[in-house]
Amino acid sequence: ILNVEQSPQSLHVQEGDSTNFTCSFPSSNFYALHWYRWETAKSPEALFVMTLNGDEKKKGRISATLNTKEGYSYLYIKGSQPEDSATYLCALIGETSGSRLTFGEGTQLTVNP
Amino acid sequence: SQTIHQWPATLVQPVGSPLSLECTVEGTSNPNLYWYRQAAGRGLQLLFYSVGIGQISSEVPQNLSASRPQDRQFILSSKKLLLSDSGFYLCAWSVNPHGYTFGSGTRLTVV
Repeated sequence: ILNVEQSPQSLHVQEGDSTNFTCSFPSSNFYALHWYRWETAKSPEALFVMTLNGDEKKKGRISATLNTKEGYSYLYIKGSQPEDSATYLCALIGETSGSRLTFGEGTQLTVNP
Repeated sequence: SQTIHQWPATLVQPVGSPLSLECTVEGTSNPNLYWYRQAAGRGLQLLFYSVGIGQISSEVPQNLSASRPQDRQFILSSKKLLLSDSGFYLCAWSVNPHGYTFGSGTRLTVV
């Protein structure tokens, strides 16, 4: 069983703050890492799929980096807005997982106006 | 276009009653299909996945079962619900490790 950990569990920031979250995974069993944005009662929205060590991806104010050698990924949000409030999930596909995603427990972000 | 339908959106069922949640996919053939669950205070856990008709793999032992009677239909069932079956159930499909599409989920409350 793959162990994917996310920190912090929850985060409250003010509008305009920049923030970042961490996703840790076993570096010895890595194929791809997914980041999702998830609002209550909705489908998770895909943000990034990362596969290569050193990958950096950006989508608007959100960006992510990947370090497969040490087993972590960071998600950054620049200038947080209230509409960024959601749970951010990372999910690992291991080399032996086929296409199965193993999710972390998520970071719940609340952006106060 | 590729879409995924999952229903119902919410369900309240008594303990001991049966369960059937259905998920159908449109616009793709031979997808991998998945059932995930988020229990209260927990992350998303993979319950079942299927790589083809009639092929079901279970990730964790539980009170639930899954079936894939058609290529693009995935059903989650229980004969007798337990309180611990409460949670948010998500169906998903993929055709490769780089792209997943999730349904909108079912909130199941067992009372």
